Amino acid sequence: GNSVTQMEGPVTLSEEAFLTINCTYTATGYPSLFWYVQYPGEGLQLLLKATKADDKGSNKGFEATYRKETTSFHLEKGSVQVSDSAVYFCALSDPQGGSEKLVFGKGTKLTVNP
Amino acid sequence: KAGVTQTPRYLIKTRGQQVTLSCSPISGHRSVSWYQQTPGQGLQFLFEYFSETQRNKGNFPGRFSGRQFSNSRSEMNVSTLELGDSALYLCASSSGLSPSYEQYFGPGTRLTVT
Repeated sequence: GNSVTQMEGPVTLSEEAFLTINCTYTATGYPSLFWYVQYPGEGLQLLLKATKADDKGSNKGFEATYRKETTSFHLEKGSVQVSDSAVYFCALSDPQGGSEKLVFGKGTKLTVNP
Repeated sequence: KAGVTQTPRYLIKTRGQQVTLSCSPISGHRSVSWYQQTPGQGLQFLFEYFSETQRNKGNFPGRFSGRQFSNSRSEMNVSTLELGDSALYLCASSSGLSPSYEQYFGPGTRLTVT
């Protein structure tokens, strides 16, 4: 079945460092791809998404490009802040019976130190 | 606009008991999805309801059930609780079924089974 693989965490960076969180996927069709963020004690929030190959999703300085040839959707940010500390989830939509559920990666915990 | 609310936020139950969790979606949203989040398995889809009908179901045993009311509020029930059911249960609402309709997550209900 469809699946998502994220780089293992935790990731610890200093403020203003460059961030990359790798995400690769397996899918039979043409899924939509998502990054969600979960701050401590909160539910998930959609960070960005891309619905077709070569699309770039971006939000709050984060960006990710849908790469069909490498089946990847890596999350990047040029300069992280302490407030970016959270758990990041890569996900894809999995068409099934006319409805589309989300399939998530295991999550990558990011800690940014001042 | 009020966000997705889940009650209760924390719950402790004993093995063998049953539990009911509640989710109130964002006003106007007709789709409600439920997810289980555990450290070992990550985020797993339980089921989705739209207009009081279950539209999609994940790979969970029949002990897990749900329903949606005419006002779009949803409940999920777990019978004969097992230790492995300890998890964060997340509810998400959206205005439609497709992933092009953004899912908004609640803060979750933390269930501990002893």
